[in-house]
Amino acid sequence: TAGITQAPTSQILAAGRSMTLRCTQDMRHNAMYWYRQDLGLGLRLIHYSNTAGTTGKGEVPDGYSVSRANTDDFPLTLASAVPSQTSVYFCASSEGPGGKEKQYFGPGTRLTVT
Amino acid sequence: GESVGLHLPTLSVQEGDNSIINCAYSNSASDYFIWYKQESGKGPQFIIDIRSNMDKRQGQRVTVLLNKTVKHLSLQIAATQPGDSAVYFCAEGPSGAGSYQLTFGKGTKLSVIP
Repeated sequence: TAGITQAPTSQILAAGRSMTLRCTQDMRHNAMYWYRQDLGLGLRLIHYSNTAGTTGKGEVPDGYSVSRANTDDFPLTLASAVPSQTSVYFCASSEGPGGKEKQYFGPGTRLTVT
Repeated sequence: GESVGLHLPTLSVQEGDNSIINCAYSNSASDYFIWYKQESGKGPQFIIDIRSNMDKRQGQRVTVLLNKTVKHLSLQIAATQPGDSAVYFCAEGPSGAGSYQLTFGKGTKLSVIP
């Protein structure tokens, strides 16, 4: 079982360009999440999805959008990248509530916006 | 807002000794707590979790202790090994219907001295 895969592994992006970070899970988990991780700030939730077809905003949603067309995929889009979006991005998934909140993380995407 | 924090940002331990990593939480409604290990360049990896109806839970070489009275969580690692060197995060899951989300602390870096 692969778990969660993310692509690309790393990317250098010019400011103003758009980009989509891909995330796929094969565990049939209901919930999926996108975090950014910055030094000294820990993991901050960008967007989440409790189930296919629904999404919600996290702590730092501005400048990002997500979609959840099916259970397995949860892409994160930066419409017009800015240097402050330079970060490491992690996708995660969990089965759901009721004893199943444990989140499984992907390997991350390191994004540099120049 | 309420947040999860850590008492010690860095911890150096001699190989073979026991390690204790502490975490304070402030959301009294939280009923689920989890520890993650993150090695350099990788995504967070689940270590152990505990629910608020328990005070202690043991895994392989790890023990999590929960003190609800003082809202304190700790991770104990027995016979610390060089491979335990990493950043350790605690996270809490608030109670409430439909709440899947975890709130993460900023992390403690554990360095094992050979």
